[in-house]
Amino acid sequence: GESVGLHLPTLSVQEGDNSIINCAYSNSASDYFIWYKQESGKGPQFIIDIRSNMDKRQGQRVTVLLNKTVKHLSLQIAATQPGDSAVYFCAETNGSNYKLTFGKGTLLTVNP
Amino acid sequence: GAGVSQTPSNKVTEKGKYVELRCDPISGHTALYWYRQSLGQGPEFLIYFQGTGAADDSGLPNDRFFAVRPEGSVSTLKIQRTERGDSAMYLCASSLLAGGGLDTQYFGPGTRLTVL
Repeated sequence: GESVGLHLPTLSVQEGDNSIINCAYSNSASDYFIWYKQESGKGPQFIIDIRSNMDKRQGQRVTVLLNKTVKHLSLQIAATQPGDSAVYFCAETNGSNYKLTFGKGTLLTVNP
Repeated sequence: GAGVSQTPSNKVTEKGKYVELRCDPISGHTALYWYRQSLGQGPEFLIYFQGTGAADDSGLPNDRFFAVRPEGSVSTLKIQRTERGDSAMYLCASSLLAGGGLDTQYFGPGTRLTVL
């Protein structure tokens, strides 16, 4: 069936280090991927997205990499800050489907 | 500009009661979505509105759940005869375009529902 999953449920890093959060997906028809950040008690906050015709996209301190060959997605956060501490979800959908399918999430903890 | 808003932020009710959860989408957004999120899990799709009509309600768990969007803006999720298993965070999202998956969904802060 269709699924999106994360390799690491928790990630702990030191402030200033770079963070990498990984995500695997199984639906080869997926062509749009989104990373969301969710702080405790709040709704998911859009971070960055990428379409399947790209393999890399950069934002402010964040980079998303897409490897369609192995159905793998990653989120890189540069110079991680305490405010980056949250649960990060990858979500996928495709051009003919409006439903987002979310993985379970990775808890990122940034130590000062 | 203002984001998606949801009220109430928290709702505690007793088993068997009726509840309504409200969502105000971003102004001008045609599409509106409801998701449910259990503790430690990612959000799960419930229903999608394109304008005033429910284009897909396949995610609603049973007929105790119903949602409306009468004027194509504000939406209300209604749950009848609540059960303890309904306890979760209910999230609303909106996107600019109607239909099509290549459209960013922006989420509200959610309503935490607790059924005692």
